[in-house]
Amino acid sequence: DARVTQTPRHKVTEMGQEVTMRCQPILGHNTVFWYRQTMMQGLELLAYFRNRAPLDDSGMPKDRFSAEMPDATLATLKIQPSEPRDSAVYFCASGDTTGGRTGELFFGEGSRLTVL
Amino acid sequence: GESVGLHLPTLSVQEGDNSIINCAYSNSASDYFIWYKQESGKGPQFIIDIRSNMDKRQGQRVTVLLNKTVKHLSLQIAATQPGDSAVYFCAKGGSTLGRLYFGRGTQLTVWP
Repeated sequence: DARVTQTPRHKVTEMGQEVTMRCQPILGHNTVFWYRQTMMQGLELLAYFRNRAPLDDSGMPKDRFSAEMPDATLATLKIQPSEPRDSAVYFCASGDTTGGRTGELFFGEGSRLTVL
Repeated sequence: GESVGLHLPTLSVQEGDNSIINCAYSNSASDYFIWYKQESGKGPQFIIDIRSNMDKRQGQRVTVLLNKTVKHLSLQIAATQPGDSAVYFCAKGGSTLGRLYFGRGTQLTVWP
């Protein structure tokens, strides 16, 4: 059963620490998205990749956030240094747009981050 | 710009009744619209989608209606069950392939 896998599921850290979240997209999917979910803002797009190339990271605070895809099976989202306002659930999602296909994104279970 | 909004943040229905969740959008340059369901502690899950050249699409117990004239989208759930309790998001595809714009979500609560 193909699914998006995210680690860690939960992370509690102190302000100023580095946080790295990892995502394994569904095999064969060519697009990967990072979303952040909070009560106040809902689902916000942070960054997305197509064929491992970053297409849009305008939703991401560049001074502390970075997103990469070292290979097709791994996407990472790093926060350095973390701040309490970064506390949220971070979702990774993958999809297949080959051949101009559009449609659903498959979401992981999320990484719940708490920054104290 | 792109925006998607929901009419009501919460909806409570009795088990067995039909539920209707509404959504409005601002930009018509969208090829498709999608409804997602998010249960507590989980990621959003795809329910049903509809292309912009369609007005209606039906799935199992769910129907999505698209009114392009008033830029309105709705999700109808027939015979709502306790397992339908979740947050429902509408989303629309933007001009960039694969990118989705999400609304804020409606919390559906089903009580016996």
